[in-house]
Amino acid sequence: DAKTTQPPSMDCAEGRAANLPCNHSTISGNEYVYWYRQIHSQGPQYIIHGLKNNETNEMASLIITEDRKSSTLILPHATLRDTAVYYCIVRSNYGQNFVFGPGTRLSVLP
Amino acid sequence: EAQVTQNPRYLITVTGKKLTVTCSQNMNHEYMSWYRQDPGLGLRQIYYSMNVEVTDKGDVPEGYKVSRKEKRNFPLILESPSPNQTSLYFCASSWGGGSSGELFFGEGSRLTVL
Repeated sequence: DAKTTQPPSMDCAEGRAANLPCNHSTISGNEYVYWYRQIHSQGPQYIIHGLKNNETNEMASLIITEDRKSSTLILPHATLRDTAVYYCIVRSNYGQNFVFGPGTRLSVLP
Repeated sequence: EAQVTQNPRYLITVTGKKLTVTCSQNMNHEYMSWYRQDPGLGLRQIYYSMNVEVTDKGDVPEGYKVSRKEKRNFPLILESPSPNQTSLYFCASSWGGGSSGELFFGEGSRLTVL
């Protein structure tokens, strides 16, 4: 599986956009980029995923670079409840394992 | 309601006393997995299963066993628990294939081994 690299921590002001980067330079053509988050000690929660086009849902937007070697998760208007650890995972469509890295701890500040 | 159910949610036990943490999903998912989470170490995978009777080791399988006799159940077995297995455990499931890779997690089982 391709590996991902994320900054260990980030801060964001409440109401501003939070932009969380992820590097996946060894990603292969059939691998998707997934984002999850974990709030405190709850089970991680799915946010969004994409292959090469940018994606948007009610929670976030995912921007994938043209060469697919990196991506950015955007929370458009961060709230205090978005404080969590955010995980970027690369996984192919079929028969591949989900492996979590250490993630980015996002702190949304009032 | 689609869910992954783990039991027990909390358990305190003693060294060497065999225990099983059950995991059941009602979504007919092919893929299931166990993770443990410890402070500062993130989620580490213990075992996973791509389908019935197909299991494989994750990153930290030592001291654990699993079985996948039915699609919906994936129990985690600690034959002889030790204090270093004190942790927060999560079970998760997903479709094995297709473009929707959403991984559904249980609520977690907090285990303390004295």
